[in-house]
Amino acid sequence: KAGVTQTPRYLIKTRGQQVTLSCSPISGHRSVSWYQQTPGQGLQFLFEYFSETQRNKGNFPGRFSGRQFSNSRSEMNVSTLELGDSALYLCASSLALWTSGSSYEQYFGPGTRLTVT
Amino acid sequence: AQSVTQLGSHVSVSEGALVLLRCNYSSSVPPYLFWYVQYPNQGLQLLLKYTSAATLVKGINGFEAEFKKSETSFHLTKPSAHMRDAAEYFCAVRTQTGNQFYFGTGTSLTVIP
Repeated sequence: KAGVTQTPRYLIKTRGQQVTLSCSPISGHRSVSWYQQTPGQGLQFLFEYFSETQRNKGNFPGRFSGRQFSNSRSEMNVSTLELGDSALYLCASSLALWTSGSSYEQYFGPGTRLTVT
Repeated sequence: AQSVTQLGSHVSVSEGALVLLRCNYSSSVPPYLFWYVQYPNQGLQLLLKYTSAATLVKGINGFEAEFKKSETSFHLTKPSAHMRDAAEYFCAVRTQTGNQFYFGTGTSLTVIP
């Protein structure tokens, strides 16, 4: 079974631009969560989508948004990019709603490394 | 509020030596606890998880962790380090209701030949 895939793997953007990252979950998984990883803040939860609805959200500004499609693929969008948005963005998929307390595991993709200049 | 603390941002061990990576959590109710490993330029891989069953949890690649409620700890161990164990290790805690999920700051493990 194919793992979680993320595209693109690397991205360079300029401050003020917007960016869209894509995540394809493991087949059959309906939950997709997004995380930001930076050297300063570590790993932080952004949000989780399940059945095309955002179910839980971390403490990030509204510039960070996402959506999920009927095939469970998810996109994350960051508008008006700032230098501090440079990070590795990880997505993870799970069979059930992760933030409901499900005991199912989350499987992580390799990440998209975003550099904002 | 939940939090998780990993003691030691860098740990070095000799090949064949015991690996001990420390993780402490703060919670009034025992949460779910996880250890993940991250190799360079890769995502996170689950090593093991504690979900209120057995307190000694065995994971992949010979790793195990013991949940100690009295010490609010969930330290990761491996009897004998291999070169391939060199990576970043993250402890994570999630409330049993699941709506809060926090990672530790990570411990970089170096294995010396």
